[in-house]
Amino acid sequence: AQSVTQPDARVTVSEGASLQLRCKYSYSGTPYLFWYVQYPRQGLQLLLKYYSGDPVVQGVNGFEAEFIKSNSSFHLRKASVHWSDSAVYFCAVPLTGFASALTFGSGTKVIPCLP
Amino acid sequence: GPKVLQIPSHQIIDMGQMVTLNCDPVSNHLYFYWYKQILGQQMEFLVNFYNGKVMEKSKLFKDQFSVERPDGSYFTLKIQPTALEDSAVYFCASSPDWGSSYEQYFGPGTRLTVL
Repeated sequence: AQSVTQPDARVTVSEGASLQLRCKYSYSGTPYLFWYVQYPRQGLQLLLKYYSGDPVVQGVNGFEAEFIKSNSSFHLRKASVHWSDSAVYFCAVPLTGFASALTFGSGTKVIPCLP
Repeated sequence: GPKVLQIPSHQIIDMGQMVTLNCDPVSNHLYFYWYKQILGQQMEFLVNFYNGKVMEKSKLFKDQFSVERPDGSYFTLKIQPTALEDSAVYFCASSPDWGSSYEQYFGPGTRLTVL
């Protein structure tokens, strides 16, 4: 069965510093991969997606993620964190056995702090 | 961007009572979803819905659960009767079509507490 693991529940990062959020998945075959972001008091929003092709995908607000098949990973990165990036970030893959459902990781809360 | 609204944001009810959670999806979207997140756990898929019918449901979608969207109004999740284990945050989502059905727009959730 598929699964998504986000090993870091919280990440504190200085404003202006780089950020990497880890995501590892277990999935039969090559999955579609997603990162969603949830800002305070809002719903989850799609940040970026990978379906095929270039393993590095660009998202909104300067985020990117890299699909590394050999490592079963889809880590999210940002070169320079801003205070507005304070949110919870969820990695997701399709739910096996369903045509239109997702399964999510447990989320990583990003807490920017003053440098 | 497009927003999904959920009403109410919090609901407290006694075990055995009926509850209806309301979702106002993005206006031109055709596919609707409910997910459930128990405190401290990952968000899990309950059901998706299209053209007046349940398309897929997980084993979490118990017989006491039902969904409908009468006449293009709210997309609702009804639980009758409620049980203690139904306490969770329920997220509604919508997507424009089947081809992009993994690109789902989420509401901020309704926190349901069953006493």
